[in-house]
Order: sequence, then C-alpha cells, then structure tokens
Amino acid sequence: GAVVSQHPSRVICKSGTSVKIECRSLDFQATTMFWYRQFPKQSLMLMATSNEGSKATYEQGVEKDKFLINHASLTLSTLTVTSAHPEDSSFYICSASRAGKSLFFGSGTQLSVL
Amino acid sequence: KQEVTQIPAALSVPEGENLVLNCSFTDSAIYNLQWFRQDPGKGLTSLLLIQSSQREQTSGRLNASLDKSSGRSTLYIAASQPGDSATYLCAVSPDSGYALNFGKGTSLLVTP
Repeated sequence: GAVVSQHPSRVICKSGTSVKIECRSLDFQATTMFWYRQFPKQSLMLMATSNEGSKATYEQGVEKDKFLINHASLTLSTLTVTSAHPEDSSFYICSASRAGKSLFFGSGTQLSVL
Repeated sequence: KQEVTQIPAALSVPEGENLVLNCSFTDSAIYNLQWFRQDPGKGLTSLLLIQSSQREQTSGRLNASLDKSSGRSTLYIAASQPGDSATYLCAVSPDSGYALNFGKGTSLLVTP
C-alpha cells in the first residue's frame, strides 16, 4: 500500500527558531499534498494545499509568511514554521493525494515551542 | 462551509459492549466519508471509507453507515475491546482527491 513518511515525529524548539517538517510519498507521485494542524481536543484543520511546482494555497487565517510550504518534487513537500512561538505548538500532519484520488496520511509531527 | 459534528465527544464503556458513534455534516454534497482512528500523538489510521453512492461499509467488527441526504453517518463497533480505545474521527470530502473536513472526534475508552 501507499506510504507517506513524515519527519520528524516530535520536535521541541526554543521560541524564535524555525522548524522544518518533511512529508514524503514513498511509493507514488503526489501531485497534491495537504497540511493540517490539530490543537488539543480539536479537529484537524486544513492549513494549506500544495501542488508540485506551484505556490501553496493557504486557508483563511493561516499566515503564508509564517508557514512556508515548498513542494519542489512529486514526492516531497516541506512545511517550515518560521520564528516559532509557543502558540504554534500543535500536532502537524500531512496527507498526499495519489492520482488525484486516494489520500494517504503521514504519521504527524508534534511540535512543542518553549 | 461544510461543518462536521461528532457526538458524543467522549465515551467510556466496559469491554464487550456494542457501541455507536455518530457523525453529522451540514452539506450533503460529499464525494465520500471516512472514519479514522487516531491514537494519542499519532497519525491517522483509515478504518472505513464510504463513497457517496454507498450506504454502508463493513470491516471486521466495524460497520459504518451513510445517509447522505440527511447528512449523517454512524460507526458501529461490535464487542468492544480495550485495544479499541482511541479517538475516532469522521471526515468528509467534497470531491476526489480534495482535502478532508474533519469532525473533532469521539474519544473512546474501553475498560477491561
């Protein structure tokens, strides 16, 4: 079955630093990848949609300059949280679309900003 | 805007009980509906996917139904086990390959 690898699974960083999260589709080409954020006891909220080779589309209320998304290849999308603050502490998870149909999820990244 | 609601938010049952989790959505124009399992601090495990033209799907002790016109789905878990303890998420998709709209989930605890 299709596998999406997300790395790292957990990261703790100091306030003001930047953190990069990688999402890789291991056995298929993902033309579209989605990034979600989940706060405790809340639902997963879509942050942005990234298409290979083009700029990401951000959901309302998500700062594109703070959450940088790069989808440079058909198997890799990255989310960089720039100048992270404690309020950015959350669970981030990606999903990849195969052939515009099936969706596969990564295992998520728990970000804690001190 | 699509809104997905899951009831109850939390549920605790003794081992062996059958249980039903509920999901409702406001816009019936969906492509499919999925039920996921999420363990603490982990990713998502897809349990069942129901296409909009289908009424139900079954996998082992799990059965999910879909009433698209009324905007409702239920997840039935038979003979619950402690290993079933997790958060169950319902999500709908407006079209093929589109991002999902998730509910907040039902946190299930099955006690021995």
